[in-house]
Amino acid sequence: ILNVEQSPQSLHVQEGDSTNFTCSFPSSNFYALHWYRWETAKSPEALFVMTLNGDEKKKGRISATLNTKEGYSYLYIKGSQPEDSATYLCASNTNAGKSTFGDGTTLTVKP
Amino acid sequence: DGGITQSPKYLFRKEGQNVTLSCEQNLNHDAMYWYRQDPGQGLRLIYYSQIVNDFQKGDIAEGYSVSREKKESFPLTVTSAQKNPTAFYLCASSIQKGANQPQHFGDGTRLSIL
Repeated sequence: ILNVEQSPQSLHVQEGDSTNFTCSFPSSNFYALHWYRWETAKSPEALFVMTLNGDEKKKGRISATLNTKEGYSYLYIKGSQPEDSATYLCASNTNAGKSTFGDGTTLTVKP
Repeated sequence: DGGITQSPKYLFRKEGQNVTLSCEQNLNHDAMYWYRQDPGQGLRLIYYSQIVNDFQKGDIAEGYSVSREKKESFPLTVTSAQKNPTAFYLCASSIQKGANQPQHFGDGTRLSIL
């Protein structure tokens, strides 16, 4: 079983703060890294898929980077808003398509 | 609207009973997945299927069974052999097999033991 770890487990920030969190994964047998956002009472929603070392993806105020050699990915949120409050999940995939998820980072943005 | 439908939203099981959770998708996706979430934990893979009539065990398949007779449907049976079935179950699909395809999720089924 691949071991995917996310830190911190939870994060509380003020509106307007920028924040980031980490996803660590075994670099062997790595094929792709996925980030999802899971808001309360909704389904998880895909944010990014990254495959190449040095990849950087951006969607609005959210961006992510990938280091496959050392086995980590960072998710950044610039100028956090209350609507960014959610649990952010990362998943490492093998080339057979099998996903291993981390436990998530729960972000709370206070107005 | 295209999407993934899980039913029921809440399910109660008596000790020793098998129960089946439904997952249907109209996205024409090839791959489908079942996950389990326990409080404070992430999603753990139970079973996945890359194509009709084929499926593979995930990390915690013991006590569960699945079938994939149709592309749209991937039901999960929680058998009496699953000693701790109380959890939140999520079904997902992706457009095709492969590591770089994002998954689309249903709304989940919460299973409790009476």
